[in-house]
Amino acid sequence: NAGVTQTPKFQVLKTGQSMTLQCAQDMNHNSMYWYRQDPGMGLRLIYYSASEGTTDKGEVPNGYNVSRLNKREFSLRLESAAPSQTSVYFCASSSRQAQFYAGYTFGSGTRLTVV
Amino acid sequence: EDKVVQSPLSLVVHEGDTVTLNCSYEVTNFRSLLWYKQEKKAPTFLFMLTSSGIEKKSGRLSSILDKKELFSILNITATQTGDSAIYLCAVLVNRDDKIIFGKGTRLHILP
Repeated sequence: NAGVTQTPKFQVLKTGQSMTLQCAQDMNHNSMYWYRQDPGMGLRLIYYSASEGTTDKGEVPNGYNVSRLNKREFSLRLESAAPSQTSVYFCASSSRQAQFYAGYTFGSGTRLTVV
Repeated sequence: EDKVVQSPLSLVVHEGDTVTLNCSYEVTNFRSLLWYKQEKKAPTFLFMLTSSGIEKKSGRLSSILDKKELFSILNITATQTGDSAIYLCAVLVNRDDKIIFGKGTRLHILP
């Protein structure tokens, strides 16, 4: 099925470790986004990429970096994980056409725990 | 600063009741307002509202937007236990097609 694929689904890290969350979409969408979701906080935008080759900070970018590898892939990197980064991470994608009927398409999420 | 505010943050009702969830917003370059339902995993799309006063309906769910007063409501009639979820309101803005989410309303339906 077409959609947004995130890996891994679960991850436990020790404080100070690094890791990369992968996201790929096969809908030919131009825009891709990374959100984090914490209890009672809704979804907060970390970084986004409005088009291939561009990335911008969102609301909570500190401690993260991103790479828009190509049109399909947008990765999120934690260079030195901290317990405050324990969260559920969602990748999403969209295009101007898709927004008229579906808003974003979300991946299934990555549950990250930093101990 | 763009913001989306939902109320109530939490709601518990009995099966069969009708509920109204509220969403107000203050954003620049508003394009559309969206409602999502989130159960255990990723949010799933419910409605997109762009014009004031036009109700969107899907089964027992309906929603309407007031662009003058900057708010929207989501109504669920004859609630069922399967309606238990977090309901997210979000606003799509023109700049870079960003979506700004509210904190959500956690709805719990008692049998």
